[in-house]
Amino acid sequence: EDKVVQSPLSLVVHEGDTVTLNCSYEVTNFRSLLWYKQEKKAPTFLFMLTSSGIEKKSGRLSSILDKKELFSILNITATQTGDSAIYLCAVEANSGYALNFGKGTSLLVTP
Amino acid sequence: EAQVTQNPRYLITVTGKKLTVTCSQNMNHEYMSWYRQDPGLGLRQIYYSMNVEVTDKGDVPEGYKVSRKEKRNFPLILESPSPNQTSLYFCASSDAGGLNIQYFGAGTRLSVL
Repeated sequence: EDKVVQSPLSLVVHEGDTVTLNCSYEVTNFRSLLWYKQEKKAPTFLFMLTSSGIEKKSGRLSSILDKKELFSILNITATQTGDSAIYLCAVEANSGYALNFGKGTSLLVTP
Repeated sequence: EAQVTQNPRYLITVTGKKLTVTCSQNMNHEYMSWYRQDPGLGLRQIYYSMNVEVTDKGDVPEGYKVSRKEKRNFPLILESPSPNQTSLYFCASSDAGGLNIQYFGAGTRLSVL
């Protein structure tokens, strides 16, 4: 059975801190891994990763994939209160476009 | 503006009263999907559709129906809602021929009393 595990489940940090969110997976025929940010509404797309070792970057957020060890990390540097959200990791396997989601990491950034 | 539109955004109903949640996308996407999100369980797929007239079950299909008569629309039907279907529902779509980046609607919060 395909499995996606995120850690930690929740995290509280102070503004300016750097955080690392983890996502490990066990799927058959891995195709891609996606990160989404969910505030009090729909998940919004952050990154798609398909190849090991290639960092994707957008402003203060970055992500990398390790296909050998089957995990990905999402880094947020110089956190701001607007980064407070649930961060979702999803993995697509070669079995019909379904995304298997982890339970998410709830991040709270305090002033 | 490219978007996935769900209606209604909030719905309170009673057990057994049939309801439909509509979903429409304007991106000409082939793939559409319904998820429910529950605390501690994350997002779970209910049904998906690879194209018009092609639908299939996801992980939690019991108690739900879908149809895909047109490419842009993918309604979710609860024939006889029960309290355990109280949840936050999301519709999503993606370009099945390209990168499978799924774009989500704003969500429908359903309460079944």
